[in-house]
Amino acid sequence: SAVISQKPSRDICQRGTSLTIQCQVDSQVTMMFWYRQQPGQSLTLIATANQGSEATYESGFVIDKFPISRPNLTFSTLTVSNMSPEDSSIYLCSVEASGISHDQYFGPGTRLLVL
Amino acid sequence: DQQVKQNSPSLSVQEGRISILNCDYTNSMFDYFLWYKKYPAEGPTFLISISSIKDKNEDGRFTVFLNKSAKHLSLHIVPSQPGDSAVYFCAARKYSNYQLIWGAGTKLIIKP
Repeated sequence: SAVISQKPSRDICQRGTSLTIQCQVDSQVTMMFWYRQQPGQSLTLIATANQGSEATYESGFVIDKFPISRPNLTFSTLTVSNMSPEDSSIYLCSVEASGISHDQYFGPGTRLLVL
Repeated sequence: DQQVKQNSPSLSVQEGRISILNCDYTNSMFDYFLWYKKYPAEGPTFLISISSIKDKNEDGRFTVFLNKSAKHLSLHIVPSQPGDSAVYFCAARKYSNYQLIWGAGTKLIIKP
């Protein structure tokens, strides 16, 4: 299994500012995923980050708003730019597990509140 | 367009009894279905999965059933324990890009 940590665990930010969330994995992985979980809703995939290439964004998410870095096989960052209260969510990173179950391991999440 | 649906936002079950969590999907392009459990302030943790070519998979107290004709799957927990109280998410994996599509979750409460 993979152990994933995220920083910060939570933050309260002002409208118009930006926050960078870090995701660290204890093993090398090819694909990392960034999700958002808005209050009372399911997880929504923001983008897939592969090392050495541009992140692939899902419909409704753009690089200018959610720039992602993937400098190596164990680390990624997601920036939430020019925040508004609608960005208040839990942001989660995950990696795909090896094996036949095809599941993903998740970090503990970053709880963001935008005022 | 919600491709994976969990229509029960919450479920309350007596300790020791069976918990049945349901999930429906609309897309036939999924190759795996997964169940995750989530406690507050933690990320989801994987419970059990099932391939689209199977109809049942069992792991200890957890069994997942897949009915492809009805596009329905369910998670059975027997016997239910207090530690099972959590939010359960159903997810389906697209075989084209490995993307997971998630349901909205069902909050399971196990009553002592």
